[in-house]
Amino acid sequence: EDKVVQSPLSLVVHEGDTVTLNCSYEVTNFRSLLWYKQEKKAPTFLFMLTSSGIEKKSGRLSSILDKKELFSILNITATQTGDSAIYLCAVGGQAGTALIFGKGTTLSVSS
Amino acid sequence: GAVVSQHPSWVICKSGTSVKIECRSLDFQATTMFWYRQFPKQSLMLMATSNEGSKATYEQGVEKDKFLINHASLTLSTLTVTSAHPEDSSFYICSARQDANYGYTFGSGTRLTVV
Repeated sequence: EDKVVQSPLSLVVHEGDTVTLNCSYEVTNFRSLLWYKQEKKAPTFLFMLTSSGIEKKSGRLSSILDKKELFSILNITATQTGDSAIYLCAVGGQAGTALIFGKGTTLSVSS
Repeated sequence: GAVVSQHPSWVICKSGTSVKIECRSLDFQATTMFWYRQFPKQSLMLMATSNEGSKATYEQGVEKDKFLINHASLTLSTLTVTSAHPEDSSFYICSARQDANYGYTFGSGTRLTVV
């Protein structure tokens, strides 16, 4: 059975800290791994990863995929209170199939 | 970039009534759309895959007669919650993908409250 496992499930840090969120997966016909940030409404897209070892960066966020070990990490440096959200990891399989989501990591950044 | 529009954003309805939620791809054609459900503090759970011009594919445990899906055009999929009950209260989100080079785009979601 396909599955996506995120850890930790929740995390509380202080502003300025660096955090690493983990995502491991077991999915047949893997095509891509995606990270989303969800605040009050629908998830907003962060990264899509398809190749191992290539870091993707966007400001203070970065992510990398290891297709051999079947995991990805999402790093957030110099965290801010606005980073508080649920971070969802999802894996896409065959074309035309839905994403499989992990349970998410709830990040709380205190000032 | 790809935009998916979902309406309504929130709805309150009485038990026993039906509610229709629309999901539109605004600048691309989507032969396939996905419907998810999310309970508070939980992740997104796939309910069904909506295919243009054919029947939707439902996930195990999702009642197809209760959650009616219609994908009549390449830009519109609808989810109708029939005979709604309080336990159907949830956050419903649709998603579509423009092509293999893009991530999946989500609608803004619909918060349904059944009283």
